[in-house]
Amino acid sequence: GQQLNQSPQSMFIQEGEDVSMNCTSSSIFNTWLWYKQDPGEGPVLLIALYKAGELTSNGRLTAQFGITRKDSFLNISASIPSDVGIYFCAGPGTYKYIFGTGTRLKVLA
Amino acid sequence: NAGVTQTPKFQVLKTGQSMTLQCAQDMNHEYMSWYRQDPGMGLRLIHYSVGAGITDQGEVPNGYNVSRSTTEDFPLRLLSAAPSQTSVYFCASSIGSTVTEAFFGQGTRLTVV
Repeated sequence: GQQLNQSPQSMFIQEGEDVSMNCTSSSIFNTWLWYKQDPGEGPVLLIALYKAGELTSNGRLTAQFGITRKDSFLNISASIPSDVGIYFCAGPGTYKYIFGTGTRLKVLA
Repeated sequence: NAGVTQTPKFQVLKTGQSMTLQCAQDMNHEYMSWYRQDPGMGLRLIHYSVGAGITDQGEVPNGYNVSRSTTEDFPLRLLSAAPSQTSVYFCASSIGSTVTEAFFGQGTRLTVV
């Protein structure tokens, strides 16, 4: 079945640093979604990408839909302590979502 | 604006007990689903529904039942709880014929002892 692999699995960064993470798929997706899960909460949608090559920003977050349609990237600029959490990529299949295993981000003040 | 509401937030069960995790959404979404989240495993789909009266199995359905009698509600039943079902459970809903932008509840943390 379809699988999504995220890397890195976890990362510690200093406040103010930029962060990059990626997600790769074993098959093609037509949409990529990036979610963030705060501790003790459910995932919340950050960015949705609908077209290969698309680059979309949401504040300090920028995500890209890879041109092969098998990968996506999320960048966070000038990280702050509230960026801590787990970041999931997801691809929608028919009537259901496939989620990556997540990248756990910890920001050191 | 309630969105997706899950109850309870926390639950402890003894092995063999049964219980129902509740999920309700007020966005008139057709599509609803249940996931479990385990450390290092991401979110795994248990069951999903594409509308009232229609449900189907996801990746890890064993030990769970669902029903969808109304658009708003999608309860998840644990028939005979096992320690392997200790997890955090999330309900999600989404709109439209293409499944994008799911909205999640806050989760139910279940411990089976």
